[in-house]
Amino acid sequence: AQSVTQLGSHVSVSEGALVLLRCNYSSSVPPYLFWYVQYPNQGLQLLLKYTTGATLVKGINGFEAEFKKSETSFHLTKPSAHMSDAAEYFCAVSGSGNTGKLIFGQGTTLQVKP
Amino acid sequence: GAGVSQSPSNKVTEKGKDVELRCDPISGHTALYWYRQSLGQGLEFLIYFQGNSAPDKSGLPSDRFSAERTGGSVSTLTIQRTQQEDSAVYLCASSLTSGEYKEQFFGPGTRLTVL
Repeated sequence: AQSVTQLGSHVSVSEGALVLLRCNYSSSVPPYLFWYVQYPNQGLQLLLKYTTGATLVKGINGFEAEFKKSETSFHLTKPSAHMSDAAEYFCAVSGSGNTGKLIFGQGTTLQVKP
Repeated sequence: GAGVSQSPSNKVTEKGKDVELRCDPISGHTALYWYRQSLGQGLEFLIYFQGNSAPDKSGLPSDRFSAERTGGSVSTLTIQRTQQEDSAVYLCASSLTSGEYKEQFFGPGTRLTVL
């Protein structure tokens, strides 16, 4: 079975500070990993994904994530937070098999303080 | 082009009533997914459709839940005899094809409140 754990349901940073959102996964097969962002009253938007190849993945809005197999982690980072980054972030792993159904972590709410 | 649309955006119903939630996927997308987002359970997979193949219903929480996809496009999620624990945001997503790494595009969701 596959699972995702996001450490910290709430993260607060100051504008301009480093953003680090943690995600660890469990998977018996090579994982495909995703980060989605959800703004209030909106659907989920894909930030970035890891499938194969380069382990450092760059996404939209200046976010990036690094796949570390030895640590079973896929942490999301951004060097400098912006007020518009305040949202809920979800890490997900694609389920085994070929359906592509996503298994999500519990989500992390990012607060950005001025 | 238009994204995934869902209707209604909000639905309030009384316990025991049936509800239907609708999803219009992106044109040309063959794979369609339903997820549920609730405070207690987070984001959960419900059901998956791919073309004419039998749907993957492994995530449906009870036999009160059913879904269909007509003509390979629009999908309807039906909840019979609603219970208060069914209150959640129901999200629909579609992708060009199925597969572990195909990007899923999400709709804005339907917020269901069962009184």
